[in-house]
Amino acid sequence: AQSVTQLDSQVPVFEEAPVELRCNYSSSVSVYLFWYVQYPNQGLQLLLKYLSGSTLVKGINGFEAEFNKSQTSFHLRKPSVHISDTAEYFCAVSDQPGGSYIPTFGRGTSLIVHP
Amino acid sequence: EAGVTQSPTHLIKTRGQQATLRCSPISGHTSVYWYQQALGLGLQFLLWYDEGEERNRGNFPPRFSGRQFPNYSSELNVNALELEDSALYLCASSLRGNTEAFFGQGTRLTVV
Repeated sequence: AQSVTQLDSQVPVFEEAPVELRCNYSSSVSVYLFWYVQYPNQGLQLLLKYLSGSTLVKGINGFEAEFNKSQTSFHLRKPSVHISDTAEYFCAVSDQPGGSYIPTFGRGTSLIVHP
Repeated sequence: EAGVTQSPTHLIKTRGQQATLRCSPISGHTSVYWYQQALGLGLQFLLWYDEGEERNRGNFPPRFSGRQFPNYSSELNVNALELEDSALYLCASSLRGNTEAFFGQGTRLTVV
């Protein structure tokens, strides 16, 4: 079975400051990793994903994440946040082919950007 | 290309009633996932349908059920509604074995 832990339920930050949202996972098989963003009263939108290859993944809206296999982490970063980045962020893991294909999500991290 | 569409957007039901939620996947996608997003609990996996069959279900009671139609659209039924069933229900679709699930906007179910 796989699981995802998002270490912070809420992260307040000032506009133009850097931010890191932390995610750790556990799985008995190789996985794909994802970050999704959810704006108020909306569904989820994919920010970025790690499938294989380079451990540094770049996504939309200036976000990037680094896959660390030894620490089973996939932390999300942005060097300078905007007010519009205020949203809920979800880390997710999915088994690679041969597994269950069911994306498992963390509980989410609420990013609050203050002016 | 149309994304995943869910209907209705909002649904208000009385405790004990039944609710039916609908999902149309992206054209060509055969897998449909249902998730419950209750306040503070993140996304909890409910059901996975693929090629018309239920492939897996999460840790929910049997009163949560559904089906997938030949056109791959899906329906989630919740019987004997309880107050704690109030949540945002999200549907996602993907190609089987693909690496990304695409989400709809969700149905907000309120049980009073």
